[in-house]
Amino acid sequence: QSVLTQPPSVSAAPGQKVTISCSGGSSNIGSNYVSWYQQLPGTAPKLLIYDNYKRPSGIPDRFSGSKSGTSATLHIIGLQTGDEADYYCGTWDYSLSAWVFGGGTKVTVL
Amino acid sequence: EVQLVESGGGLVQPGRSLRLSCAGSGFTFDDYAMHWVRQAPGKGLEWVAGINWNSGVTAYAVSVSGRFTISRDNAKNSLDLQMNSLRTDDTALYYCAKDAVLDFSNNYPFFDSWGQGTLVTVSS
Repeated sequence: QSVLTQPPSVSAAPGQKVTISCSGGSSNIGSNYVSWYQQLPGTAPKLLIYDNYKRPSGIPDRFSGSKSGTSATLHIIGLQTGDEADYYCGTWDYSLSAWVFGGGTKVTVL
Repeated sequence: EVQLVESGGGLVQPGRSLRLSCAGSGFTFDDYAMHWVRQAPGKGLEWVAGINWNSGVTAYAVSVSGRFTISRDNAKNSLDLQMNSLRTDDTALYYCAKDAVLDFSNNYPFFDSWGQGTLVTVSS
C-alpha cells in the first residue's frame, strides 16, 4: 500500500487529454513539492515535472502539473502513442523521514 | 551529460550480502545528494535510501532499515549500497538516482537523473 494514491490506469484516444491524480497527506504533499516521473516500457524512469509544475528542459508543454492542498495532478494533452508509459508521483514525507512514491499509473492510448 | 552506471547486481541466496555501486560522471558529484530506488519485477518504484552531499545525513526506507547501508566516496564519484541479510522480497532492479539538491533533509528533493539499474535476485 503506497503512501501516495494514484489510479492504476487511465486511457484516452490519440489527441485527447488525461489527468492523473496523486493523493497524499499533510506530511508529504501538503508540505512539500511534488515531482512526476515517466517510465517508458523497459526503460529507467525519467523526470517529467518537478516543484509541482516545472518542466525540465526537453519536456514538451503537453505535460503539466498542479497541486492543491494534499493532492497533485499530472495533465497530459494532445496524447500521443509515445506517451504510453507508467507515471509516478513522488515527494518527501516529513513524518516518515523518507521519500514516497505513488503506486504508479499506466497510461494507455486507445 | 550526466551518467550514472550501476554495478554489482547478481544472484544471491537469502541471508547473504551484496554490495552495489554507482559511478557518476558529467556533474560535480559532491554537489548533490544521491539515492537508491528499486523496482521489483512488474511492480512500482520504491525508494530505498538517500545520502546527502557530505554523508552527514542518511535515510532509509523502513523495509531496509538496519539491513542496508548507503555510502558515498566523493573522491571517486561513487555511491554504494551494502545489502545484508537479503530476503527474497529484496529481488528488484536497483536504480541509482541523482538528487537535484545538496541536502534532501533541508530542501525540496527530486530525482533529476537515473541510471539504467542493476538487477538483484535473491533466491535459493
